[in-house]
Amino acid sequence: DGGITQSPKYLFRKEGQNVTLSCEQNLNHDAMYWYRQDPGQGLRLIYYSQIVNDFQKGDIAEGYSVSREKKESFPLTVTSAQKNPTAFYLCASSTRAGTEAFFGQGTRLTVV
Amino acid sequence: GIQVEQSPPDLILQEGANSTLRCNFSDSVNNLQWFHQNPWGQLINLFYIPSGTKQNGRLSATTVATERYSLLYISSSQTTDSGVYFCAGGVRRGYQKVTFGTGTKLQVIP
Repeated sequence: DGGITQSPKYLFRKEGQNVTLSCEQNLNHDAMYWYRQDPGQGLRLIYYSQIVNDFQKGDIAEGYSVSREKKESFPLTVTSAQKNPTAFYLCASSTRAGTEAFFGQGTRLTVV
Repeated sequence: GIQVEQSPPDLILQEGANSTLRCNFSDSVNNLQWFHQNPWGQLINLFYIPSGTKQNGRLSATTVATERYSLLYISSSQTTDSGVYFCAGGVRRGYQKVTFGTGTKLQVIP
């Protein structure tokens, strides 16, 4: 099936540890995105990539890092510098930037 | 970046009722989507509608790009329509960025 796969679905980490969230798509989309959602809030853009080996900071990039070495993959690392990492993280992709975006099922990260 | 306002923030409907959700943008957008977020957090695509009108079953959407707003109509609501509805829009300023509204939380009661 074509789609966007995020893993794991739930993730627990100790404070001060870096953690990497996986996002893979087999839709042959050029553009990929990471969003963060806090309870009762909308989605805020962390990073986006319009093409392989290129990515741009979104509105809340501090404490996060990404890479885009392959078209299919856009992993997000939540570093120890992120002050409030507990949140719901959503990955999306689109044919190219500005076209219809499709989302994965999300990863719920809890830092204790 | 652009600002996206959604109204109403909360809505309670009796099953079978109709409703209209609104999304206002601070700038002209060149892409606009409506999503439904289910209780498990999954974002379901409803419409990609930069302009014009589209219909899908009991749902329809209209975007008036020149006036910077979009409307989502839900007719004959069902309990399964409950959840949060988001609109999201983007403008092309060099790189394309998309901004989400804060959502409308809909509860449909039997």
